[in-house]
Amino acid sequence: DGGITQSPKYLFRKEGQNVTLSCEQNLNHDAMYWYRQDPGQGLRLIYYSQIVNDFQKGDIAEGYSVSREKKESFPLTVTSAQKNPTAFYLCASSLGQDNQPQHFGDGTRLSIL
Amino acid sequence: GQSLEQPSEVTAVEGAIVQINCTYQTSGFYGLSWYQQHDGGAPTFLSYNALDGLEETGRFSSFLSRSDSYGYLLLQELQMKDSASYFCAVISGGYNKLIFGAGTRLAVHP
Repeated sequence: DGGITQSPKYLFRKEGQNVTLSCEQNLNHDAMYWYRQDPGQGLRLIYYSQIVNDFQKGDIAEGYSVSREKKESFPLTVTSAQKNPTAFYLCASSLGQDNQPQHFGDGTRLSIL
Repeated sequence: GQSLEQPSEVTAVEGAIVQINCTYQTSGFYGLSWYQQHDGGAPTFLSYNALDGLEETGRFSSFLSRSDSYGYLLLQELQMKDSASYFCAVISGGYNKLIFGAGTRLAVHP
């Protein structure tokens, strides 16, 4: 079945460490997105990509980096510069046009050791 | 700034009808979407309104008034499985980028 796969489901980071969250989709979607969700809050956009080898900062990009070398993959790196990384991270994809729904992965829960 | 306002919590009983309101203030507007999220799960798409009026999909309906910067999600014949958080989200800047509200937690009781 087509869908979005995020891994790992749970991730722990040590102080000063970079970690990378994986996001893969087989929906043949052009656009991909990364969101951060804090408890009891809505989703905030970190980065998005409309096509391969191109991506744009969202509202809270500081301390994060991404790459889009393949259409199917959009990994997110949480760098040591992100001082409050504990959150639920959600990856999504869509066909890219404004009226198309975004399809979400099951998320990665990141915590600090 | 850009903001979306929706109630933080709503409680209802099985079989009832509930309306979740959303008002928005954004620099641009392409459409209003609604997503459902169960605890610990992924958001799932419910509806999208680009034009004024009511869109109906089964037990769920969504309404938009662009002149009032207002929309709502109407859930009919509530079931226990409808207990979840509901988010309104605006596409304000193209590229299908979404700005989410903080979410409304719906609790359905027997």
